[in-house]
Amino acid sequence: GAVVSQHPSWVICKSGTSVKIECRSLDFQATTMFWYRQFPKQSLMLMATSNEGSKATYEQGVEKDKFLINHASLTLSTLTVTSAHPEDSSFYICSASIRQNSNQPQHFGDGTRLSIL
Amino acid sequence: ILNVEQSPQSLHVQEGDSTNFTCSFPSSNFYALHWYRWETAKSPEALFVMTLNGDEKKKGRISATLNTKEGYSYLYIKGSQPEDSATYLCAPRGGGNQFYFGTGTSLTVIP
Repeated sequence: GAVVSQHPSWVICKSGTSVKIECRSLDFQATTMFWYRQFPKQSLMLMATSNEGSKATYEQGVEKDKFLINHASLTLSTLTVTSAHPEDSSFYICSASIRQNSNQPQHFGDGTRLSIL
Repeated sequence: ILNVEQSPQSLHVQEGDSTNFTCSFPSSNFYALHWYRWETAKSPEALFVMTLNGDEKKKGRISATLNTKEGYSYLYIKGSQPEDSATYLCAPRGGGNQFYFGTGTSLTVIP
C-alpha cells in the first residue's frame, strides 16, 4: 500500500515551454503533498507544500509564479514549470503521507527528470 | 529551513563489513527524524521514523539511534551486502509539517 505515482518520468522540451508534472496517491488520500527538487550531487530541496483545496506554501527563494502548484483533489497534485528555461533543468520528485501532521513516513513518486534545451 | 548535515558524503566498504554514518540537525524545535534509503532508479524508501530521545530502531541488519538533545542520529549497517548500496538520507521535521533532507551518504558495498 501507500503508492505514489509521478508522471512523466522524463521530459525534454524547448526553452519557453510550460511543463506539467502530476503526482498521484493511488491507494490513499493525501491532504498534503510535497514537491522537491534535486540539483546534481545535492540532496532533495523542499520547494513547496501542496495543500488540498488551498494555496501551496512555498519555501523561501522558490518563485510562486514560476512553479505553479495545484492540489485539486485528495489524490492529485500538479507542479507546472512555466516558461521553462535551461536553468530549470533538474530532477523533481513529489511525496505524500497518509496522515497530515503525523509521524508517518513520506511515500515518494519515482521523480521526473526535466531537461530544457 | 533546517540545516541538516550528513557524514560521510560517500563510503565504500567491503562486503561483510559493518558501517555507520551520521545525521546532524538542530536540536531545538525537534519533532521527528526520518531515515530513507534511495537506490538508483527507484524512489526513496522509508526506513525509520524516530521521535524520542534515546530511540533505537532496528530493521534486519540496519539500526538507528537518536539523540535529540545534542541533535544527531546514527545509522548502522551490520555485515554490509551489495544490495545495501544506496544513498541514505535523513530528514528531520520541525514544528511544521515539512521535512528537510540532508545531503545523504552514498554507500557502495564492494563484493
